[in-house]
Amino acid sequence: GEDVEQSLFLSVREGDSSVINCTYTDSSSTYLYWYKQEPGAGLQLLTYIFSNMDMKQDQRLTVLLNKKDKHLSLRIADTQTGDSAIYFCAENQAGTALIFGKGTTLSVSS
Amino acid sequence: NAGVTQTPKFQVLKTGQSMTLQCAQDMNHNSMYWYRQDPGMGLRLIYYSASEGTTDKGEVPNGYNVSRLNKREFSLRLESAAPSQTSVYFCASTGFGNSNQPQHFGDGTRLSIL
Repeated sequence: GEDVEQSLFLSVREGDSSVINCTYTDSSSTYLYWYKQEPGAGLQLLTYIFSNMDMKQDQRLTVLLNKKDKHLSLRIADTQTGDSAIYFCAENQAGTALIFGKGTTLSVSS
Repeated sequence: NAGVTQTPKFQVLKTGQSMTLQCAQDMNHNSMYWYRQDPGMGLRLIYYSASEGTTDKGEVPNGYNVSRLNKREFSLRLESAAPSQTSVYFCASTGFGNSNQPQHFGDGTRLSIL
């Protein structure tokens, strides 16, 4: 099957910007999502973008969507130690359920 | 707001034992989902229920059964547990069956099969 691809690890220093990238598979996906998972917890919806948008900004979070390349990115400005977590990209294929990437572990050092 | 509630939070089973994982949502959502999360594998869909009274297989349904008991509750059953089913199981729900609404997740059930 086709996979949603993400890099596995990202390490940044506190105060820097973090950019997590994702390549999705289905050009007909209506929404694309970013979820955050902290240790021992479930998935928390961070933000999502409708497929007819190029960019969405929500406080420190900026989502960029390139439909031509099927590329999605999440930028976290002024990254804090509390942002350390696993970040999952997801798309809704075929209108049934979400297809998730394997997750990017973000490590923030002070 | 409880959202999506999963029970139990932790469980250890012996190979061959059976168990039912419970999930309930209080958001009046139509669709509910069961995923498993394994290291390095992301989340994989086991079964889903687009609406009350319907269930469908996901990517990895073998060894599992589900029941959509009513609009609120969606249970996952392991009839004869195997070590390969050691995983973290997440239940999720969303307002509409076509998943154009974001999914809301429970905190997970950590299941170990010895």
